Amino acid sequence: AQSVAQPEDQVNVAEGNPLTVKCTYSVSGNPYLFWYVQYPNRGLQFLLKYITGDNLVKGSYGFEAEFNKSQTSFHLKKPSALVSDSALYFCAVRDGANSGNTPLVFGKGTRLSVIA
Amino acid sequence: EPEVTQTPSHQVTQMGQEVILRCVPISNHLYFYWYRQILGQKVEFLVSFYNNEISEKSEIFDDQFSVERPDGSNFTLKIRSTKLEDSAMYFCASSDGQVSTEAFFGQGTRLTVV
Repeated sequence: AQSVAQPEDQVNVAEGNPLTVKCTYSVSGNPYLFWYVQYPNRGLQFLLKYITGDNLVKGSYGFEAEFNKSQTSFHLKKPSALVSDSALYFCAVRDGANSGNTPLVFGKGTRLSVIA
Repeated sequence: EPEVTQTPSHQVTQMGQEVILRCVPISNHLYFYWYRQILGQKVEFLVSFYNNEISEKSEIFDDQFSVERPDGSNFTLKIRSTKLEDSAMYFCASSDGQVSTEAFFGQGTRLTVV
């Protein structure tokens, strides 16, 4: 079975500082990993994904994430946070051994608050 | 850019009433999903749908729930007799079915059962 853990309910960071939102996963096959962002009263917006290849993937709005197989982690990062980055962030996983129809499994979400 | 659209954005219903939530997936996608998010909490999978039948469903998706693709564009979620605990944000998603492809989500329908 697939699972995702986001150990932090809330992350606070000052504007201009680097941010990290943590995610660890568990799958039996190869992990396909995704980050989504949810702004207030909005839907889930895709940020980036790791499928294969370079462990550092870059996505929308200056976000990047690093895949670490030995630590089964896929932490979301940004070098310099903006107040507008404040939102709810979800990590999701799909087992690459399964079909594409297999639904994404989401973590519980981490609320990022960037303070001016 | 193509997008998933959901209607209505907000639905208020009385306990015991039936509701139908509507979704128009991205036109060339073949796989459709419903997820639920109870106020600011985890996004939970309800059901996936392909080729006019349910592919997979979670424990949440009991006999009160049903899905349908009544025509070539709409994908609906019906809750037969709503309960207070059905109050949540319901998200529709679609994908092309490639295992490496992300799912595209709609803006959600906020269902409030009173």
